[in-house]
Amino acid sequence: AQTVTQSQPEMSVQEAETVTLSCTYDTSENNYYLFWYKQPPSRQMILVIRQEAYKQQNATENRFSVNFQKAAKSFSLKISDSQLGDTAMYFCAFMKPPAQKLVFGQGTRLTINP
Amino acid sequence: DADVTQTPRNRITKTGKRIMLECSQTKGHDRMYWYRQDPGLGLRLIYYSFDVKDINKGEISDGYSVSRQAQAKFSLSLESAIPNQTALYFCATSDPGNGNQPQHFGDGTRLSIL
Repeated sequence: AQTVTQSQPEMSVQEAETVTLSCTYDTSENNYYLFWYKQPPSRQMILVIRQEAYKQQNATENRFSVNFQKAAKSFSLKISDSQLGDTAMYFCAFMKPPAQKLVFGQGTRLTINP
Repeated sequence: DADVTQTPRNRITKTGKRIMLECSQTKGHDRMYWYRQDPGLGLRLIYYSFDVKDINKGEISDGYSVSRQAQAKFSLSLESAIPNQTALYFCATSDPGNGNQPQHFGDGTRLSIL
């Protein structure tokens, strides 16, 4: 079975700083997908970024980018120029087709301070 | 209107009561999922359904049952609620596509069992 580990329960940075959230996973599969979801205090689950395992190029979405290291089974999220609205719980998740079931990490609570 | 709607948003009930959480979607997706979120554990899969006649157990199905009344509706029941079922519950949907589509989440139901 796949497992996902987020080793940082909480992080805190100043506004405008860059922050990196860590995620590691364990799988014997070769074809899979990785996601970062954001959960603000409103408790919505918002997709931040997605990475296909077969792609070597790291995904980017505006201020959000990932460092995907397939051999190391590592999938970190970098937030550049952090903003107060980035304050949220962040979840790393693994998905293997075709069932599309998500396996989540424990979450990292990120606080952006003014 | 939200694409994935969960009702109720919050619920407080007593041990031993039967509870039903409802989920409806307007996205036209065939696949629907129920997760529960606990602090420090992330989200864990309870049940999932690929269509009206295809229902599958997830990681933590004991104490829960589901009903897929239509493509758009997927309900989660707790037959006899117990305090350790206190959690935040999420419904999600996905389009099979080629197996790489992200899931879309409702806003969650916070359930407290006294």
